[in-house]
Amino acid sequence: GAVVSQHPSRVICKSGTSVKIECRSLDFQATTMFWYRQFPKQSLMLMATSNEGSKATYEQGVEKDKFLINHASLTLSTLTVTSAHPEDSSFYICSAQGETQYFGPGTRLLVL
Amino acid sequence: GEDVEQSLFLSVREGDSSVINCTYTDSSSTYLYWYKQEPGAGLQLLTYIFSNMDMKQDQRLTVLLNKKDKHLSLRIADTQTGDSAIYFCAEGDTGRRALTFGSGTRLQVQP
Repeated sequence: GAVVSQHPSRVICKSGTSVKIECRSLDFQATTMFWYRQFPKQSLMLMATSNEGSKATYEQGVEKDKFLINHASLTLSTLTVTSAHPEDSSFYICSAQGETQYFGPGTRLLVL
Repeated sequence: GEDVEQSLFLSVREGDSSVINCTYTDSSSTYLYWYKQEPGAGLQLLTYIFSNMDMKQDQRLTVLLNKKDKHLSLRIADTQTGDSAIYFCAEGDTGRRALTFGSGTRLQVQP
C-alpha cells in the first residue's frame, strides 16, 4: 500500500524555538495533505488542510501564524511550529490523500 | 458538522470476541474506517467499508454497517492480548476532505 513518512519521529526542543516537521508521500503524489494533532488520551483533531501550490486551510482555533504549513511539492508538506511552548507538546500526524487517506507514523513533540 | 462517537472502554478475556461500536451523524459519509493505535505509536489502518456495503470480513475482523441507524461496529474474533490498543472509527467521503475521528475505544484484553 501507499506509504507516508514523517520526520522527525520525536523531537524535544526548548520553549521559544521553532520546529519543522516533514510529511512525505513516498510512492504517490498528493495534492492534498492533512495535519492532525493528538493530545494524550484524546482523539485526532484536524488542524489544517494543506494544498499543493496554495495556502493551507486552517480549522477554527488553530493559529496560522503559529503553525506554518508549506506544501511546495506533490510529495512534501511541512508543518513548522513557531515559538513553541510547552502547551504545543503533542503528537502530530499527517495524512496524504491518494486513493484513500494514508497516515504517517506521527511526530511526538515535547517542548520544555 | 460531522460527529463520531464511541464508547471509551471495553474489557474482554483472551479468546472471547470483542465488539466495538461507533455512531456517526453525517449521512454523506462514503467511507467508514477502523484504525488501531498502540501506546506511543501511529495509526494502523485495520479495515474500511464503503457506505453501500452492510458487512465486510477480513480474517478475524468483521465490520457491520447499519446505514439507516448510522451505526458501525468492529468485531474481533478470538481476541488476543496483542489486540489491546485504542481503536478509532473515522468517517470520510469522496470529497477528499479530512477524516472525522471518534474519541477512541480502549480495548483491554485480560489473559
